[in-house]
Amino acid sequence: EVQLLESGGGLVQPGGSLRLSCAASGFTFSSYAMSWVRQAPGKGLEWVSTISGVYTTNYADSVKGRFTISRDNSKNTLYLQMNSLRAEDTAVYYCAKSITAAGRTFIYWGQGALVTVSS
Amino acid sequence: DIQMTQSPSSVSASVGDRVTITCRASQDISNWLAWYQQRPGKAPKLLIYAASGFQSGVPSRFSGSGSGTDFTLTISSLQPEDFATYYCQQANSFPRTFGQGTKVEIK
Repeated sequence: EVQLLESGGGLVQPGGSLRLSCAASGFTFSSYAMSWVRQAPGKGLEWVSTISGVYTTNYADSVKGRFTISRDNSKNTLYLQMNSLRAEDTAVYYCAKSITAAGRTFIYWGQGALVTVSS
Repeated sequence: DIQMTQSPSSVSASVGDRVTITCRASQDISNWLAWYQQRPGKAPKLLIYAASGFQSGVPSRFSGSGSGTDFTLTISSLQPEDFATYYCQQANSFPRTFGQGTKVEIK
C-alpha cells in the first residue's frame, strides 16, 4: 500500500524558513517523480514543484528562487525547503507521487501539512 | 503558462442526476489532462488520467473525454458520496496548472 506522510509544517514569521518532509513507502521511491502541491485556505490547488527520479527539478514562478525541492532515495523521503516565506505561502502542502517518472499526473497524495506564515 | 478554465464553478444537482463538467485549456495539450475529486478536509483523489483513462478503483459512473483544448468529466448518476469539488489539471508542460474547481452541491 502506498503511503505518503508529510511532516514539518507549522507557524513561521514572514521572512522565515521551514522544511517539509514526506516519508514514502509501499513503492520503489527512486523510480517515480514526486511533487508538492499546495492549497491556500478556501482556495484551489496550486502546483509548487516536481523532482524526477533523476533529480531534474521544476518550480512554479511564485516560489522559484525561494523554495528548493530535493529527495533522498536512500531514505525514501521527499523534502521542500522553504525560505523567505510570505503570507501568501500560507497553505496546506501536499506531497504527491506521480504515475511515472515524468511527473505529469498525481496518483497518490499525502494527508497534507499546514504551513502558516504570520507575525 | 497554460491556463485551465472550468465551467461551471458550481452546480446543484440531485442524487441520480447526470452531471457534466467542462475544462478548457488555453492551448493544445493533446490528451494530457487529469481530473481529481476533493472532499472537504481531504486530499485530492485522482479519477481520470490522460483525458479518458480510468484510475483503478474509481466507480464506472465517472468518465472523461476530449482532446486538444476541450475536455469533459461526466458523472452518469450522481451518488451521495460524489458531492465534492472537482479539478482538472494539464499534464502537458511545466508549470503544471489546475482549473479553479467545480463544486458539486446537493440540490
